Amino acid sequence: SQQGEEDPQALSIQEGENATMNCSYKTSINNLQWYRQNSGRGLVHLILIRSNEREKHSGRLRVTLDTSKKSSSLLITASRAADTASYFCATEQPHAGGTSYGKLTFGQGTILTVHP
Amino acid sequence: IAGITQAPTSQILAAGRRMTLRCTQDMRHNAMYWYRQDLGLGLRLIHYSNTAGTTGKGEVPDGYSVSRANTDDFPLTLASAVPSQTSVYFCASSDRQGGHNEQFFGPGTRLTVL
Repeated sequence: SQQGEEDPQALSIQEGENATMNCSYKTSINNLQWYRQNSGRGLVHLILIRSNEREKHSGRLRVTLDTSKKSSSLLITASRAADTASYFCATEQPHAGGTSYGKLTFGQGTILTVHP
Repeated sequence: IAGITQAPTSQILAAGRRMTLRCTQDMRHNAMYWYRQDLGLGLRLIHYSNTAGTTGKGEVPDGYSVSRANTDDFPLTLASAVPSQTSVYFCASSDRQGGHNEQFFGPGTRLTVL
């Protein structure tokens, strides 16, 4: 089963509105990351939040992390049509001795559509 | 600076054929990864490499092999393609010196196995 699961699967909003996407995971993490994917393209890293952080901002993005609930949210404020894309959360499990390889486990993604 | 390049962009392949997907990065990242992306399943890790000369298995390694002869290149080989390997394949790299692992992705290869 997926380590990270996003909710909702799809979100449709008007330009200027805020978009909130949620991610839940099952095991302890080193960090949680959000990525964006435009149709037919590769993923682009948006923001990383470490397990000892609770909130992080980057431009119009705000990410929160609640390790007690094993959940994270991504808020995009004042959305634009250009924000239309799929958004994925990915978790990195804690390093284990010398065998860590920085493995990321991705969720299935939220498809965001922003209407002009 | 190109970042990560993948080749080919797309390919249609007959079942049973051998195929190598190429991946090259120019960022001198030590770690590289191969994922496949299927509708409804997100991205799943096939193989990874922490550094040149080492490789490891990910979540779905069966039917695939990789090599890492140098820092820049990380080819993925399908020895005998099957239709279930129809997917979009993404290569990624990261600089793990800092301890936290942001990954940079290539544009993907769309593979269809008939």
